[in-house]
Amino acid sequence: GAVVSQHPSRVICKSGTSVKIECRSLDFQATTMFWYRQFPKKSLMLMATSNEGSKATYEQGVEKDKFLINHASLTLSTLTVTSAHPEDSSFYICSARAQGGTSGSNEQFFGPGTRLTVL
Amino acid sequence: ELKVEQNPLFLSMQEGKNYTIYCNYSTTSDRLYWYRQDPGKSLESLFVLLSNGAVKQEGRLMASLDTKARLSTLHITAAVHDLSATYFCAGGYLGDKLIFGTGTRLQVFP
Repeated sequence: GAVVSQHPSRVICKSGTSVKIECRSLDFQATTMFWYRQFPKKSLMLMATSNEGSKATYEQGVEKDKFLINHASLTLSTLTVTSAHPEDSSFYICSARAQGGTSGSNEQFFGPGTRLTVL
Repeated sequence: ELKVEQNPLFLSMQEGKNYTIYCNYSTTSDRLYWYRQDPGKSLESLFVLLSNGAVKQEGRLMASLDTKARLSTLHITAAVHDLSATYFCAGGYLGDKLIFGTGTRLQVFP
């Protein structure tokens, strides 16, 4: 159980276009989903926390108009990179936390990631 | 705000040897996680440590938590090549976000 999927797994786009990445919890309901960004050989940086039905909370330094997050249902959150530029190229990983948690562990379940390359 | 540091950042070790990765965190964190990441892949959950003195073992990996010292360790016993990966620790609070450490890139050679 506790499977999180991401789509697409890999995307290449031209500079100036927008790209949407989907994160789905397949076998549980996720009230909270998180979006991370990872540069090569670096750690994960939290971009934003999204709660179903409310606005996302962005971390300091993350442009909310650039990275649009929508958490429309308990199983789906989307991240849209608007007007993408080469510096937005990165590995984007989402995670989902099950509603009510699991034995108090507050465990997040991670998606497989989306590699974005902006030309 | 919680800060998490790992050391070493890079570890090259011979098969059969033992070694420990250290994870220090700056303020109270009521849980500590260890993850593994293979190149080009996402995170695989290894351990969740919830209380002081917690020790968990899976195969050649053993994780422990000392909340008084704000330290968690990941001990590798008799390393094998398949353990080559990047290992992350992360701290957090119930209901809140995770803060990840810098990661330790482990390379096991024959």
